[in-house]
Amino acid sequence: TQLLEQSPQFLSIQEGENLTVYCNSSSVFSSLQWYRQEPGEGPVLLVTVVTGGEVKKLKRLTFQFGDARKDSSLHITAAQPGDTGLYLCAGVSLSGNTPLVFGKGTRLSVIA
Amino acid sequence: DAGVIQSPRHEVTEMGQEVTLRCKPISGHNSLFWYRQTMMRGLELLIYFNNNVPIDDSGMPEDRFSAKMPNASFSTLKIQPSEPRDSAVYFCASTLSGRLNTEAFFGQGTRLTVV
Repeated sequence: TQLLEQSPQFLSIQEGENLTVYCNSSSVFSSLQWYRQEPGEGPVLLVTVVTGGEVKKLKRLTFQFGDARKDSSLHITAAQPGDTGLYLCAGVSLSGNTPLVFGKGTRLSVIA
Repeated sequence: DAGVIQSPRHEVTEMGQEVTLRCKPISGHNSLFWYRQTMMRGLELLIYFNNNVPIDDSGMPEDRFSAKMPNASFSTLKIQPSEPRDSAVYFCASTLSGRLNTEAFFGQGTRLTVV
């Protein structure tokens, strides 16, 4: 069974601070997806990283895929209250035809 | 497209009652997934369908849980009889299968409370 471990589980920071959350596995994935889930809503895709070592930027969010395609990180610069939510990573298997494997998520709270 | 539509949004029921959750996937998507989300266990896959056929139901916790997909635009997840430990948010998601890195589109979820 492929497992994704996310850390930290909870994070509470002040507006304007930077933060990094992690997604780790002992398994190799074809690609990794990051989702954000807001209260009362379903997860929504932010980005997919495909190539080992790849870095993608989405405004103040920077996503990196590990060289061995087993781990990923999400860095947020100058966090804002609107960044509050649950951040989930999900792995796409090498075969590509099995369901996404989700981590338990990092619950981020940005205080104004 | 309106996205994945789930109903009801909230359900409160008494232990022992039957509960039916409903899902309408995005038109044209041929894979449908049912997930359960709790604080303790995160997002757990219960069952998924490909072209209306159940492919893997190993995540279904017990025989009390059953799921059907009678056609490409509708699926149900039934719990009978319901128990307090079934309380969770249940999500339905759909994707275009056969594509690597495909995005999963989630509904807004059904918050189930069994008292």
